[in-house]
Amino acid sequence: AQSVTQLGSHVSVSEGALVLLRCNYSSSVPPYLFWYVQYPNQGLQLLLKYTTGATLVKGINGFEAEFKKSETSFHLTKPSAHMSDAAEYFCAVSDGTASKLTFGTGTRLQVTL
Amino acid sequence: GAVVSQHPSRVICKSGTSVKIECRSLDFQATTMFWYRQFPKQSLMLMATSNEGSKATYEQGVEKDKFLINHASLTLSTLTVTSAHPEDSSFYICSAGQGPQPQHFGDGTRLSIL
Repeated sequence: AQSVTQLGSHVSVSEGALVLLRCNYSSSVPPYLFWYVQYPNQGLQLLLKYTTGATLVKGINGFEAEFKKSETSFHLTKPSAHMSDAAEYFCAVSDGTASKLTFGTGTRLQVTL
Repeated sequence: GAVVSQHPSRVICKSGTSVKIECRSLDFQATTMFWYRQFPKQSLMLMATSNEGSKATYEQGVEKDKFLINHASLTLSTLTVTSAHPEDSSFYICSAGQGPQPQHFGDGTRLSIL
């Protein structure tokens, strides 16, 4: 079985500040890890994914995440927050890119002036 | 990039009505489609996985007779909520996958049962 824990249901940062959204996973097989963003009343958009290879993954909109097997973590970062980054962010795990996803509970990112 | 279209985006109907939601992959053939349900301010819960031409696989606790899923072609899957009641009100989201590629999500359907 796989599971995802997202620490912090709500994160608030100032515009221009570092964004750090935490994600820890549990998996009995090598995990495939994903970060998705959801804007109000919309579906999910893929930010980035880790499958194999390089552990530092770069995604869209300046986001990146690092897979740390020893810490079972896949935290999402962005050096400088923008107002348009305000949204709900979901970390997810699967045992293959086309397999069913198990989502975390989500983190709502608020960006203030 | 890959596009998944979900229709309708919003449905308001009376209790007892059956509602059909469509999920289409517009520019690729989706070997697998997934249906999720999302309650307000909560995460997505997988309801079922459907593969083209075969019966859907439902997650534990999801009533297959209540939530009928059809995946008749590689570009279309439908979810029918039969005899809907207020407790079925929710945000339903589909996603489509093709081989080793990540899933692409539709924009969701907000279902409100009066």
